[in-house]
Amino acid sequence: QSALTQPASVSGSPGQSITISCTGTSSDVGTYNLVSWYQQHPGKAPKLMIYEASKRPSGVSNRFSGSKSGNTASLTISGLQAEDEADYYCCSYAGSSIYVFGIGTKVTVL
Amino acid sequence: QVQLVQSGAEVKKPGSSVKVSCKASGGTFSNYAINWVRQAPGQGLEWMGGIIPISGTANYAQKFQGRVTINADKSTSTAYMELSSLRSEDTAVYYCARDLEVVAAGFDPWGQGTLVTVSS
Repeated sequence: QSALTQPASVSGSPGQSITISCTGTSSDVGTYNLVSWYQQHPGKAPKLMIYEASKRPSGVSNRFSGSKSGNTASLTISGLQAEDEADYYCCSYAGSSIYVFGIGTKVTVL
Repeated sequence: QVQLVQSGAEVKKPGSSVKVSCKASGGTFSNYAINWVRQAPGQGLEWMGGIIPISGTANYAQKFQGRVTINADKSTSTAYMELSSLRSEDTAVYYCARDLEVVAAGFDPWGQGTLVTVSS
Protein backbone atom coordinates (compact mmCIF):
# COMPACT_ATOMS: atom_id res chain seq x y z
CA GLN A 1 0.00 0.00 0.00
CA SER A 2 1.43 3.37 -1.02
CA ALA A 3 0.79 6.51 0.99
CA LEU A 4 -2.00 8.76 -0.24
CA THR A 5 -0.86 11.89 -2.05
CA GLN A 6 -1.34 15.27 -0.39
CA PRO A 7 0.22 18.66 -1.15
CA ALA A 8 3.19 19.31 1.10
CA SER A 9 1.91 22.71 2.12
CA VAL A 10 -1.08 25.00 1.79
CA SER A 11 -1.35 28.54 3.08
CA GLY A 12 -3.99 31.19 3.43
CA SER A 13 -4.77 34.46 5.16
CA PRO A 14 -7.10 34.69 8.15
CA GLY A 15 -10.72 34.48 7.05
CA GLN A 16 -9.94 32.80 3.75
CA SER A 17 -10.85 29.26 2.73
CA ILE A 18 -8.34 26.60 1.80
CA THR A 19 -8.73 23.08 0.45
CA ILE A 20 -6.39 20.14 0.95
CA SER A 21 -6.59 17.27 -1.52
CA CYS A 22 -5.92 13.61 -0.82
CA THR A 23 -5.46 11.36 -3.84
CA GLY A 24 -5.49 7.60 -3.64
CA THR A 25 -6.40 4.78 -5.96
CA SER A 26 -9.36 2.63 -6.90
CA SER A 27 -8.20 0.24 -4.15
CA ASP A 28 -8.71 2.69 -1.32
CA VAL A 29 -10.24 6.18 -1.66
CA GLY A 30 -12.01 5.30 -4.89
CA THR A 31 -13.77 2.25 -3.48
CA TYR A 32 -14.56 3.18 0.10
CA ASN A 33 -16.29 6.22 1.56
CA LEU A 34 -14.16 5.61 4.63
CA VAL A 35 -11.81 8.57 4.49
CA SER A 36 -10.91 10.40 7.67
CA TRP A 37 -8.94 13.58 8.32
CA TYR A 38 -6.70 14.43 11.28
CA GLN A 39 -5.27 17.66 12.59
CA GLN A 40 -1.96 17.51 14.43
CA HIS A 41 -0.29 20.34 16.29
CA PRO A 42 3.44 20.04 17.10
CA GLY A 43 4.13 17.58 19.88
CA LYS A 44 0.48 16.55 20.15
CA ALA A 45 -1.49 13.45 19.21
CA PRO A 46 -3.61 13.66 16.06
CA LYS A 47 -7.22 14.80 16.40
CA LEU A 48 -10.06 13.45 14.27
CA MET A 49 -11.68 16.23 12.24
CA ILE A 50 -13.71 14.37 9.59
CA TYR A 51 -14.82 10.76 9.23
CA GLU A 52 -16.65 8.86 6.52
CA ALA A 53 -15.38 11.49 4.07
CA SER A 54 -17.77 14.25 5.13
CA LYS A 55 -19.02 13.75 8.68
CA ARG A 56 -17.88 15.93 11.55
CA PRO A 57 -17.42 14.52 15.05
CA SER A 58 -19.16 16.30 17.88
CA GLY A 59 -17.12 19.29 19.00
CA VAL A 60 -15.34 19.93 15.71
CA SER A 61 -15.96 23.37 14.24
CA ASN A 62 -18.32 23.55 11.25
CA ARG A 63 -15.57 25.52 9.49
CA PHE A 64 -14.15 22.09 8.62
CA SER A 65 -15.85 20.13 5.87
CA GLY A 66 -14.96 17.11 3.78
CA SER A 67 -15.90 15.68 0.42
CA LYS A 68 -14.89 12.93 -1.98
CA SER A 69 -15.02 12.45 -5.71
CA GLY A 70 -13.56 9.41 -7.41
CA ASN A 71 -10.07 8.69 -6.09
CA THR A 72 -9.69 12.10 -4.43
CA ALA A 73 -10.94 13.31 -1.07
CA SER A 74 -10.76 16.92 0.07
CA LEU A 75 -10.75 18.83 3.33
CA THR A 76 -11.88 22.46 3.28
CA ILE A 77 -11.21 24.90 6.08
CA SER A 78 -13.31 28.03 5.82
CA GLY A 79 -12.82 31.22 7.78
CA LEU A 80 -9.18 30.30 8.39
CA GLN A 81 -7.95 31.09 11.90
CA ALA A 82 -4.51 31.20 13.48
CA GLU A 83 -5.32 28.08 15.54
CA ASP A 84 -5.86 26.11 12.32
CA GLU A 85 -2.12 26.22 11.62
CA ALA A 86 -1.10 22.56 11.94
CA ASP A 87 -0.34 19.43 9.96
CA TYR A 88 -3.28 17.62 8.37
CA TYR A 89 -3.42 13.97 7.38
CA CYS A 90 -5.99 12.00 5.43
CA CYS A 91 -6.49 8.28 5.97
CA SER A 92 -8.41 5.75 3.93
CA TYR A 93 -9.64 2.24 4.53
CA ALA A 94 -8.12 -0.07 1.91
CA GLY A 95 -10.02 -3.28 2.54
CA SER A 96 -9.15 -6.37 4.63
CA SER A 97 -8.85 -4.25 7.79
CA ILE A 98 -5.94 -2.31 6.29
CA TYR A 99 -5.55 1.48 6.37
CA VAL A 100 -3.29 3.94 4.58
CA PHE A 101 -2.42 7.50 5.58
CA GLY A 102 -1.59 10.46 3.39
CA ILE A 103 1.86 12.03 3.49
CA GLY A 104 0.54 15.06 5.33
CA THR A 105 -0.02 18.74 4.56
CA LYS A 106 1.36 21.66 6.53
CA VAL A 107 -1.18 24.46 6.76
CA THR A 108 0.23 27.93 7.33
CA VAL A 109 -1.89 30.92 8.29
CA LEU A 110 -0.22 33.97 6.81
CA GLN B 1 -15.81 8.61 27.21
CA VAL B 2 -13.00 6.20 26.38
CA GLN B 3 -9.47 7.28 27.21
CA LEU B 4 -6.31 5.52 26.07
CA VAL B 5 -3.18 5.71 28.23
CA GLN B 6 0.09 4.38 26.87
CA SER B 7 3.23 3.16 28.60
CA GLY B 8 6.28 5.36 28.99
CA ALA B 9 9.21 6.15 26.75
CA GLU B 10 11.71 3.42 25.90
CA VAL B 11 15.34 3.36 24.79
CA LYS B 12 16.36 0.18 23.00
CA LYS B 13 19.46 -1.28 21.35
CA PRO B 14 19.43 -2.22 17.67
CA GLY B 15 18.30 -5.80 17.19
CA SER B 16 16.22 -5.87 20.37
CA SER B 17 12.43 -5.72 20.81
CA VAL B 18 10.06 -3.24 22.38
CA LYS B 19 6.57 -3.76 23.75
CA VAL B 20 4.25 -0.77 24.17
CA SER B 21 0.97 -0.96 26.07
CA CYS B 22 -2.28 0.96 25.62
CA LYS B 23 -4.83 0.80 28.45
CA ALA B 24 -8.43 1.82 27.85
CA SER B 25 -10.66 3.26 30.51
CA GLY B 26 -14.11 4.76 30.70
CA GLY B 27 -15.84 2.84 27.94
CA THR B 28 -16.20 -0.31 25.86
CA PHE B 29 -12.89 -1.95 25.00
CA SER B 30 -13.51 -5.30 23.37
CA ASN B 31 -15.88 -4.46 20.54
CA TYR B 32 -13.83 -1.87 18.64
CA ALA B 33 -10.46 -2.26 16.99
CA ILE B 34 -7.36 -0.76 18.55
CA ASN B 35 -4.90 0.45 15.93
CA TRP B 36 -1.21 1.32 16.15
CA VAL B 37 0.19 4.27 14.22
CA ARG B 38 3.75 5.51 14.32
CA GLN B 39 5.44 8.80 13.46
CA ALA B 40 9.17 9.08 12.92
CA PRO B 41 10.78 12.43 13.79
CA GLY B 42 9.65 15.08 11.31
CA GLN B 43 7.72 12.51 9.29
CA GLY B 44 4.08 11.60 8.69
CA LEU B 45 1.71 9.09 10.23
CA GLU B 46 2.07 5.42 9.33
CA TRP B 47 -0.53 2.74 10.13
CA MET B 48 1.13 -0.39 11.47
CA GLY B 49 -1.73 -2.69 12.32
CA GLY B 50 -4.76 -3.24 14.51
CA ILE B 51 -6.64 -5.76 16.60
CA ILE B 52 -10.28 -6.41 17.49
CA PRO B 53 -10.01 -7.44 21.16
CA ILE B 54 -13.23 -9.44 21.28
CA SER B 55 -12.01 -11.81 18.55
CA GLY B 56 -8.27 -11.42 18.96
CA THR B 57 -7.97 -10.99 15.20
CA ALA B 58 -5.00 -8.82 14.25
CA ASN B 59 -4.11 -7.32 10.88
CA TYR B 60 -0.79 -5.79 9.92
CA ALA B 61 0.55 -3.46 7.27
CA GLN B 62 2.63 -5.41 4.77
CA LYS B 63 5.69 -3.35 5.68
CA PHE B 64 5.68 -4.68 9.24
CA GLN B 65 4.56 -8.27 8.62
CA GLY B 66 6.78 -10.68 10.55
CA ARG B 67 8.23 -7.99 12.76
CA VAL B 68 5.21 -6.68 14.65
CA THR B 69 2.80 -8.48 16.97
CA ILE B 70 -0.36 -6.86 18.29
CA ASN B 71 -2.46 -8.49 20.98
CA ALA B 72 -4.99 -7.54 23.60
CA ASP B 73 -5.95 -8.55 27.12
CA LYS B 74 -9.70 -8.14 27.55
CA SER B 75 -9.48 -8.67 31.30
CA THR B 76 -7.38 -5.51 31.74
CA SER B 77 -8.66 -3.57 28.68
CA THR B 78 -5.09 -3.30 27.45
CA ALA B 79 -3.66 -3.65 23.96
CA TYR B 80 -0.01 -4.29 23.22
CA MET B 81 2.27 -3.71 20.24
CA GLU B 82 5.59 -5.52 20.09
CA LEU B 83 8.13 -4.63 17.42
CA SER B 84 11.19 -6.83 17.01
CA SER B 85 14.57 -6.60 15.26
CA LEU B 86 14.67 -2.89 16.00
CA ARG B 87 16.81 -0.60 13.86
CA SER B 88 17.50 3.11 14.06
CA GLU B 89 14.73 3.83 11.54
CA ASP B 90 12.21 2.54 14.09
CA THR B 91 12.86 5.54 16.30
CA ALA B 92 9.44 7.14 16.43
CA VAL B 93 6.43 8.07 18.52
CA TYR B 94 4.03 5.16 18.60
CA TYR B 95 0.32 5.89 19.07
CA CYS B 96 -2.63 3.66 19.76
CA ALA B 97 -6.04 4.77 18.52
CA ARG B 98 -9.47 3.20 18.73
CA ASP B 99 -11.87 2.69 15.84
CA LEU B 100 -15.00 4.79 15.88
CA GLU B 101 -18.22 2.94 16.63
CA VAL B 102 -18.86 3.03 12.88
CA VAL B 103 -16.42 0.38 11.72
CA ALA B 104 -13.43 1.57 9.70
CA ALA B 105 -14.74 5.15 9.67
CA GLY B 106 -11.85 6.73 11.57
CA PHE B 107 -9.75 6.70 14.72
CA ASP B 108 -10.79 8.37 17.94
CA PRO B 109 -9.63 8.64 20.66
CA TRP B 110 -5.83 8.44 20.50
CA GLY B 111 -3.34 7.64 23.19
CA GLN B 112 -0.79 10.23 24.22
CA GLY B 113 2.02 8.51 22.29
CA THR B 114 5.10 6.59 23.36
CA LEU B 115 8.55 7.64 22.19
CA VAL B 116 10.75 4.69 21.29
CA THR B 117 14.40 5.53 20.67
CA VAL B 118 16.63 2.94 19.04
CA SER B 119 20.28 3.69 19.61
CA SER B 120 23.47 1.83 20.29
